[in-house]
Amino acid sequence: QKEVEQNSGPLSVPEGAIASLNCTYSDRGSQSFFWYRQYSGKSPELIMSIYSNGDKEDGRFTAQLNKASQYVSLLIRDSQPSDSATYLCAVNNDMRFGAGTRLTVKP
Amino acid sequence: SAVISQKPSRDICQRGTSLTIQCQVDSQVTMMFWYRQQPGQSLTLIATANQGSEATYESGFVIDKFPISRPNLTFSTLTVSNMSPEDSSIYLCSGGQQETQYFGPGTRLLVL
Repeated sequence: QKEVEQNSGPLSVPEGAIASLNCTYSDRGSQSFFWYRQYSGKSPELIMSIYSNGDKEDGRFTAQLNKASQYVSLLIRDSQPSDSATYLCAVNNDMRFGAGTRLTVKP
Repeated sequence: SAVISQKPSRDICQRGTSLTIQCQVDSQVTMMFWYRQQPGQSLTLIATANQGSEATYESGFVIDKFPISRPNLTFSTLTVSNMSPEDSSIYLCSGGQQETQYFGPGTRLLVL
């Protein structure tokens, strides 16, 4: 059974801090990794995808992938209250999701 | 990107009845999926909707309970059959090309 694991949190950080979200996966052959953000009562929206080992930056967001250790992480720099949401990790295009990490950014 | 709509947005149904949820994408997509999400929980993949052939169901989900159609590359339906209160949930469809998926707004279902 392919699994995607996330710390469900909640994770609370002060405004302006770096929020670090982590995800591990069991299928060593996984090639594609995605981070989705889901606001309460809304559907998930894609914020980052990563396919190669290393870092990928997009604005305040950085995705990090380490295939040898089978983890992918999402860093949010200069966290804002509007970043408060649940962040979902998904692996491969068969779209299995982790449980999600609930992030709260406190003003 | 793809814009995805779902109908109905919400419904209240009686036990034992069936509801069909429609998912429409504004462009042709290769992949379409159906998910269920309980309040405060993550997404559970129900099935992959395959164009022109039978859907591929995940463990714990069967075609008799959740029949799915996908007649073309922009449209799919999910039916929740013989409903019970345990089927109360949010049902989401997603669609996209191989690597990028977009989600519909969801259908909130309450079964009494």
